[in-house]
Amino acid sequence: EVQLVESGGGLVQPGGSLRLSCAASGFTFSSYWMHWVRQAPGKGLVWVSRINSDGSSTSYADSVKGRFTISRDNAKNTLYLQMNSLRAEDTAVYYCARDDDSSAHAFDIWGQGTMVTVSS
Amino acid sequence: QSVLTQPPSVSGAPGQRVTISCTGSSSNIGAGYDVHWYQQLPGTAPKLLIYGNSNRPSGVPDRFSGSKSGTSASLAITGLQAEDEADYYCQSYDSSLSGLYVFGTGTKVTVL
Repeated sequence: EVQLVESGGGLVQPGGSLRLSCAASGFTFSSYWMHWVRQAPGKGLVWVSRINSDGSSTSYADSVKGRFTISRDNAKNTLYLQMNSLRAEDTAVYYCARDDDSSAHAFDIWGQGTMVTVSS
Repeated sequence: QSVLTQPPSVSGAPGQRVTISCTGSSSNIGAGYDVHWYQQLPGTAPKLLIYGNSNRPSGVPDRFSGSKSGTSASLAITGLQAEDEADYYCQSYDSSLSGLYVFGTGTKVTVL
């Protein structure tokens, strides 16, 4: 079964750090670009970051640029999001999603999400 | 923050047809980039519903259809069913400096 499972969310103080993980299974992880998308409570979806298949190219939304770092370990079939200098407005459910180039680069597989709460 | 605008809500009786618009600009939909649609049932992760403007992934009922014209796109649901009550989001690529991948503001579909 094709699956993405996020972990690493939790409660963190403003200015703190957190690292999210996304474990992939059921497909050749190293062949796909991957994304992080977040959703604040009661709000819509917001794209956060993208990494290409071998990890050599990344991109970020302006709101997280310089604070968040996306990376991947293809040997471990795992995607990461290192989040530093966290702010209250980073509070959200964070989803990892697979980018499928055979589906016009739509996000065809999503994880269940992990909640990040930034609060003192 | 979203550069793709959707109506906040649409509603319809079972069996009816509803449409959801997604309005963009010349830096995203109007530039020729594909539009995708996602369905998010309450308390769950988003699910791909339509990709590449009008294509359905395997397993998505043909009651769902997508189209694109100019700087806008639309999602139509025909034969509305109770299980279609969910939030729907369009998504595309944007060539402006502010962001690469953009989502719509989201539309809540209510089945009366």
